[in-house]
Amino acid sequence: DAGVIQSPRHEVTEMGQEVTLRCKPISGHNSLFWYRQTMMRGLELLIYFNNNVPIDDSGMPEDRFSAKMPNASFSTLKIQPSEPRDSAVYFCASSPRYNEQFFGPGTRLTVL
Amino acid sequence: AQTVTQSQPEMSVQEAETVTLSCTYDTSESDYYLFWYKQPPSRQMILVIRQEAYKQQNATENRFSVNFQKAAKSFSLKISDSQLGDAAMYFCAYRSATGGGADGLTFGKGTHLIIQP
Repeated sequence: DAGVIQSPRHEVTEMGQEVTLRCKPISGHNSLFWYRQTMMRGLELLIYFNNNVPIDDSGMPEDRFSAKMPNASFSTLKIQPSEPRDSAVYFCASSPRYNEQFFGPGTRLTVL
Repeated sequence: AQTVTQSQPEMSVQEAETVTLSCTYDTSESDYYLFWYKQPPSRQMILVIRQEAYKQQNATENRFSVNFQKAAKSFSLKISDSQLGDAAMYFCAYRSATGGGADGLTFGKGTHLIIQP
């Protein structure tokens, strides 16, 4: 198994631009999670899906952030418009129910 | 809401020695999972060990073991025979079991482990 796949691995963009982060979970996992890691706030849960349905998006910082999971093998996290304070590492993780979460390699986002 | 506290921002240990990383958590739930994740400089999050709250026996994985004290809400990680490859950030994490086991993780701030050769 290839593990959780995230793209891009690095993204540099300018303030005001739209950013889309992508995630392919491990096949057969029915839960998908988006986390953000910063020096100041550590690792934070943004949103998670069970069976492609968003369950809890209370961690999404602002309306500029949105996430979708159109099918069991793909999810996106979109920031529009992006701001410098959005600079962080964004992780996607997937999990079979009742089990531990497997993390992707992360996307390092830099907003100038 | 649950909180996870790691009181040691940084720890240092000599190679081949034993080190213990501390973690405490706050919850009103009785059923949950606890984890230790390792994050090396590559930033990949790697699961080290997991513990189910309903199990009294402490989990072990080779050189890694935990001391789970449910009443004290404490979950420490012991690394025996430390190796240079153990150098990393270590995160303690909590996961509720009330949502059917599919909830997100709550992380501590992490402990930076340095291995002295």
